[in-house]
Amino acid sequence: QQPVQSPQAVILREGEDAVINCSSSKALYSVHWYRQKHGEAPVFLMILLKGGEQKGHEKISASFNEKKQQSSLYLTASQLSYSGTYFCGTGGKETSGSRLTFGEGTQLTVNP
Amino acid sequence: DTEVTQTPKHLVMGMTNKKSLKCEQHMGHRAMYWYKQKAKKPPELMFVYSYEKLSINESVPSRFSPECPNSSLLNLHLHALQPEDSALYLCASSQGGLAGVGTGELFFGEGSRLTVL
Repeated sequence: QQPVQSPQAVILREGEDAVINCSSSKALYSVHWYRQKHGEAPVFLMILLKGGEQKGHEKISASFNEKKQQSSLYLTASQLSYSGTYFCGTGGKETSGSRLTFGEGTQLTVNP
Repeated sequence: DTEVTQTPKHLVMGMTNKKSLKCEQHMGHRAMYWYKQKAKKPPELMFVYSYEKLSINESVPSRFSPECPNSSLLNLHLHALQPEDSALYLCASSQGGLAGVGTGELFFGEGSRLTVL
């Protein structure tokens, strides 16, 4: 089942912060975050696993609330290079990280 | 070398043509994937190969036929496609196979943009 992302779009000025949310109606084992710039491939940002393990980008942080089946991606002191579409991908335990279902995406625009 | 290479980058084909998309990775990854992405939509999983065996087929029509000749290569054979199949086709790879892949970070190629006339 597809996770729900919010907001659908956000516009920031350089240096501002943003939070992107991802929620699922089913139990989660892992949450992945990817960023895709226009005309490019999605690029890995972060993985959060049930039990608290995280692996990802040094300038981006995220949280994973297992009970609420939610994850949030925190972008602080945004840079122009942060612009793009952010997708969360969720996986259930039976398939670990291999069968991800992606949310509809959040389009982030950072202006000077 | 941390790249996933896809060819061709662009492909235009008629509904009666047969063509193939190719994907190559040299990271020693044992899981490879095909995703389909329509404009302004998320990637949708089509197939997963784990240790060169088809592990997941997400009920994809038979006009799409995947092939994994070896651990570095993944092909997608196309035949009798429909205009609605026009999309960006993304190949990805990850470490390990399907089972027990705890982190499964996906490395995507740049994609092959397919137009079916």
